[in-house]
Amino acid sequence: GAGVSQSPSNKVTEKGKDVELRCDPISGHTALYWYRQSLGQGLEFLIYFQGNSAPDKSGLPSDRFSAERTGGSVSTLTIQRTQQEDSAVYLCASSLVLGANYGYTFGSGTRLTVV
Amino acid sequence: AQTVTQSQPEMSVQEAETVTLSCTYDTSESDYYLFWYKQPPSRQMILVIRQEAYKQQNATENRFSVNFQKAAKSFSLKISDSQLGDAAMYFCAYRSVITQGGSEKLVFGKGTKLTVNP
Repeated sequence: GAGVSQSPSNKVTEKGKDVELRCDPISGHTALYWYRQSLGQGLEFLIYFQGNSAPDKSGLPSDRFSAERTGGSVSTLTIQRTQQEDSAVYLCASSLVLGANYGYTFGSGTRLTVV
Repeated sequence: AQTVTQSQPEMSVQEAETVTLSCTYDTSESDYYLFWYKQPPSRQMILVIRQEAYKQQNATENRFSVNFQKAAKSFSLKISDSQLGDAAMYFCAYRSVITQGGSEKLVFGKGTKLTVNP
């Protein structure tokens, strides 16, 4: 697509439920990144993909968080047993290649609210 | 680990005037990239300007320019002739040149909220 698309735009869920957040990167972009933006904070790096592989998962805040990418395209970030502290905006970005020096193209994010 | 600090949580400027947003960073690396991103209420992070550390010349993009002081580890953003559409959160970000060991990530500051007054 023309830009990075994220869905849903907003998600309200009950504490303890599982949620899936989707990211559709720019066509042809091999690298994909997930960030979390909590209220009043900067962006916290979660995970990146090179193709379908995620070499470093250490940024994921707990084992309730997982992510996958299929076909070198769409990525899904899954949060199991959501907690109120998971409430944040989850941003996805992509770049043509890993480590592109021109910066990354971001989507508009998913605002997750856990009640 | 690298850190990025934006010491101004909020700034305001009159339309058509100039404003400077501050950013300092800490790193032991000699080569890296620095970025300024704008985040309007739409939430999408938009790249404003970037600087490669090995280039001494300050980057410029239309009304946006940076003052890059490598020795001081300072990377400020100057917005000239401010417009109402410039109102947004501005984030400073750092990225290593080397793509290994998680260094692909952007390290962000906490942002500066810019208000433009008519």
